[in-house]
Amino acid sequence: GEDVEQSLFLSVREGDSSVINCTYTDSSSTYLYWYKQEPGAGLQLLTYIFSNMDMKQDQRLTVLLNKKDKHLSLRIADTQTGDSAIYFCAVSYGNNRLAFGKGNQVVVIP
Amino acid sequence: EPEVTQTPSHQVTQMGQEVILRCVPISNHLYFYWYRQILGQKVEFLVSFYNNEISEKSEIFDDQFSVERPDGSNFTLKIRSTKLEDSAMYFCATNAPGTRANEQFFGPGTRLTVL
Repeated sequence: GEDVEQSLFLSVREGDSSVINCTYTDSSSTYLYWYKQEPGAGLQLLTYIFSNMDMKQDQRLTVLLNKKDKHLSLRIADTQTGDSAIYFCAVSYGNNRLAFGKGNQVVVIP
Repeated sequence: EPEVTQTPSHQVTQMGQEVILRCVPISNHLYFYWYRQILGQKVEFLVSFYNNEISEKSEIFDDQFSVERPDGSNFTLKIRSTKLEDSAMYFCATNAPGTRANEQFFGPGTRLTVL
């Protein structure tokens, strides 16, 4: 089955950049996603990248995809306290089922 | 903005009891999913549902689990005889054909605790 791996914890100072990494095993995914989960809330789609792209920029967010190494990263520029959350990498496979990593908790220090 | 809702937010039950977790999808959505996350572990796919039948299920979704859409609005997950290892956060997700990037919209989850 699909396997998605993430590191678990990141602390960053407000204003700095955060980078979260993810590796996956199945290269057939059409889309790769980053979901954000704030306390008490569900998973919310933060951004995504189409599998034939290498990079996607979306305001403060930059997604990099290295298909050869099956590596996905999310960079958050100018990290703010509201960015404190758990970030999940996910890939779709099969009949649009999602495979998630364990999540990466980002703590922003003011 | 429309959102997926789930009830209850927290359910505590005794081992062996039946539980029903409820989800109200976004109104024009046609595809429904259940995922779960055991504490400290990954979010895992359980089942997908379309056109009143299961589209796909994982090896976790054994005959103790069932899903249905009893009244055209709610989407439910039933666990017939709960086990300790069923304790987890259960997320419902829904999407519609043609949604941007096949995005699945998630509810806030139900935390199930089996004692």
